[in-house]
Amino acid sequence: QITLKESGPTLVKPTQTLTLTCAFSGFSLSTSGVGVAWIRQPPGKALDWLAVIYWDDDKRYSPSLKSRLTITKDTSKNQVVLRMTNMDPVDTATYYCAHRASYFGFDPWGQGTLVTVSS
Amino acid sequence: QSALTQPASVSGSPGQSITISCTGTSSDVGSYDLVSWYQQHPGKAPKLMIYEGSKRPSGVSNRFSGSKSGNTASLTISGLQADDEADYYCCSYAVSNNYVFGTGTKVTVL
Repeated sequence: QITLKESGPTLVKPTQTLTLTCAFSGFSLSTSGVGVAWIRQPPGKALDWLAVIYWDDDKRYSPSLKSRLTITKDTSKNQVVLRMTNMDPVDTATYYCAHRASYFGFDPWGQGTLVTVSS
Repeated sequence: QSALTQPASVSGSPGQSITISCTGTSSDVGSYDLVSWYQQHPGKAPKLMIYEGSKRPSGVSNRFSGSKSGNTASLTISGLQADDEADYYCCSYAVSNNYVFGTGTKVTVL
């Protein structure tokens, strides 16, 4: 059974850097074709894809946020970390990590973590 | 890249069929048979319902089906049930190996 869980601060100040960790079990990020993605959802709004990292360390970022995002993996710890710099109140959202299997779909998702950006 | 366009809301009576559209461009939906669909109940994480355009993960009811024509993908829910009331999002693989989500559709069961 694959599970993922996000962790990190619930409140960050404007201009600070957000660091989120996705701890997963039930799969290995060294398996060919596998990836872990980050997706966010502002309150009452749509899903917004942020980044994905694959088993071979290939990394892809949302073009609109690329300059602010860094995604890394620690295969031995079964963790993926997302860093987002220069946080702004518009970045207030629930942040999800999700497993991207060898097929093209995000399944399953973590429970999500709400991050509020406020001074 | 811009979000894929979905109708804000779709409704139907129990037992009916409804279809949700997802319109993109030749840089995403039109270029790849790699659209996925997600169901999200209030306060819950999204759940994969369809992947690679028309394939269902194990455990997903065959009342859910996906298709594509040109730059538009569609999700059809047949035999509408009360539990199908939720938000639905499409997602497409896009050029430069990125992903883009849709604007979301609220499905109401009358």
